[in-house]
Amino acid sequence: GAVVSQHPSWVICKSGTSVKIECRSLDFQATTMFWYRQFPKQSLMLMATSNEGSKATYEQGVEKDKFLINHASLTLSTLTVTSAHPEDSSFYICSARETEGSNQPQHFGDGTRLSIL
Amino acid sequence: GQNIDQPTEMTATEGAIVQINCTYQTSGFNGLFWYQQHAGEAPTFLSYNVLDGLEEKGRFSSFLSRSKGYSYLLLKELQMKDSASYLCAVRDLSGGYNKLIFGAGTRLAVHP
Repeated sequence: GAVVSQHPSWVICKSGTSVKIECRSLDFQATTMFWYRQFPKQSLMLMATSNEGSKATYEQGVEKDKFLINHASLTLSTLTVTSAHPEDSSFYICSARETEGSNQPQHFGDGTRLSIL
Repeated sequence: GQNIDQPTEMTATEGAIVQINCTYQTSGFNGLFWYQQHAGEAPTFLSYNVLDGLEEKGRFSSFLSRSKGYSYLLLKELQMKDSASYLCAVRDLSGGYNKLIFGAGTRLAVHP
């Protein structure tokens, strides 16, 4: 089945550091990938839609200069949290869909737990 | 805008049946998904409905009524490992592209 790999799994770093998270589709091509954030005991909140070869589409309230998204190829999207602060600590999850067909489920990476000290 | 409602918590007994309800309001409905998520892990896909009716997959079934904006996930023969959060998610076409919007999730606790 479709596999999405996300790296790293855990990040602990100092306030002010920029952190890059990678999301790869291992056995399929994904023109569109999605980035979510999840706080404890809350649901997944869509942050942005990553489009291969073009700019990402951000949800309302998400700072595009804070959360930089690059979708350089059909199998890789990256999310960079710039100048991270403690309030950015969260569980970040990416997902991708195998084709653009609407009945295809989104497959999720294992998530990245980000802790900013 | 979108609005997805599901109960916050439910408890059930091992071996029993439990139904988790989900109601939604969206302008560009294009299918409803159910995902299971264990604490600290990523969601895993359970089921998909785009037409009215019941979809059955082993111990799990999902129902959709588009006219009522309503779905449920039915879990039979509950096992302890079914203790998890169950996320109702609606695919929304408004804005020109498919995106999956999640409800807050229902935390299910299965006890012996």
